[in-house]
Amino acid sequence: DQQVKQNSPSLSVQEGRISILNCDYTNSMFDYFLWYKKYPAEGPTFLISISSIKDKNEDGRFTVFLNKSAKHLSLHIVPSQPGDSAVYFCAASAQTSYDKVIFGPGTSLSVIP
Amino acid sequence: DAEITQSPRHKITETGRQVTLACHQTWNHNNMFWYRQDLGHGLRLIHYSYGVQDTNKGEVSDGYSVSRSNTEDLPLTLESAASSQTSVYFCASSRQGPYEQYFGPGTRLTVT
Repeated sequence: DQQVKQNSPSLSVQEGRISILNCDYTNSMFDYFLWYKKYPAEGPTFLISISSIKDKNEDGRFTVFLNKSAKHLSLHIVPSQPGDSAVYFCAASAQTSYDKVIFGPGTSLSVIP
Repeated sequence: DAEITQSPRHKITETGRQVTLACHQTWNHNNMFWYRQDLGHGLRLIHYSYGVQDTNKGEVSDGYSVSRSNTEDLPLTLESAASSQTSVYFCASSRQGPYEQYFGPGTRLTVT
């Protein structure tokens, strides 16, 4: 039973438009969330995180929104660029064990020039 | 610059063989992790360590073992390789607490 779900295996977006990647979680103990980006033949790299005390965190073109009541978070990329084409993993952890992170299955984003 | 490396990058082995994948980090992180990535499953935790001499089982630990004799290294051993262990393996490290993990480049293992 997946505790972190990314229900869209893939997403295609035109260059310059907004990309929205979604993530749902089932464990109400999760209170720290991260997004990672992964290019082929490379390891994942950290993108952005959010604590449950916030509902939004922004870093340049990347914004993560957290809706605790819905157990849902989303990553917005504006504007999308071809270099953003990658697999994006949502991840979550709980205060009881912040070091142990649960990853979602990933969403493959293609940004079309 | 600090980094995390994995070796080998590619490995082909036969069923029943013992295989060891190396992971080395120079971040001086206490936490180290091994994951496997399979289509549809994302990254699944195999084993993890919070410091020297500490090891813990993750969600898919059967058939794997690790040891932590120093801060820098966490080798992953497949005791008797099985075809179901064909996968891409990632090592990661992090500081203690709610911080991001730093990943190695991965090892693609094929068990024939």
